[in-house]
Amino acid sequence: NAGVTQTPKFRILKIGQSMTLQCAQDMNHNYMYWYRQDPGMGLKLIYYSVGAGITDKGEVPNGYNVSRSTTEDFPLRLELAAPSQTSVYFCASSYLATFTDTQYFGPGTRLTVL
Amino acid sequence: GQQVMQIPQYQHVQEGEDFTTYCNSSTTLSNIQWYKQRPGGHPVFLIQLVKSGEVKKQKRLTFQFGEAKKNSSLHITATQTTDVGTYFCAGPIKGSGNTGKLIFGQGTTLQVKP
Repeated sequence: NAGVTQTPKFRILKIGQSMTLQCAQDMNHNYMYWYRQDPGMGLKLIYYSVGAGITDKGEVPNGYNVSRSTTEDFPLRLELAAPSQTSVYFCASSYLATFTDTQYFGPGTRLTVL
Repeated sequence: GQQVMQIPQYQHVQEGEDFTTYCNSSTTLSNIQWYKQRPGGHPVFLIQLVKSGEVKKQKRLTFQFGEAKKNSSLHITATQTTDVGTYFCAGPIKGSGNTGKLIFGQGTTLQVKP
């Protein structure tokens, strides 16, 4: 199993540009999450999904959008990029959402908006 | 709102010294998870604690969950250079039901001097 994969690894955007961060998992996990991590900070939840076709906002959803058309894929869309979106983005997944389950993280995408 | 705080934010130790990081939640948690993130890497699950007063060990790492289930600690005995990284605690977001949403502390970054 590849686990959770993310592309691209690095990206530089200009202000106002748009892009999609890709995330895929091959573990048949129902639950998927997008986080951003700013320097010296913890992880902030952007969006999450409890299954194909079902998504909801997390703590910091403004400026982002997601879709979940399949169990495997959970892309994150940035519209009109702003410098405040410079961050490291992590996708994660878990099989169950019970309190006994854990999250598996992808390698991350480092995004810089100039 | 719900908060999870970790102290210290940074810790530099000499190899062989002990290290402890503390995690404090503003609310009672049903469980707490610990993750480790190596420099430039992604968070990796270490352990989960569920019971009040629970203590778990993984080799040189000792994890505790407070009696009131509002705090936790991670203690590393005789640190090694392989222990370098940022340690995060995380707990379920209150009222999130079966979504698996976690709130993360800001992390404690450990540097070990050989």
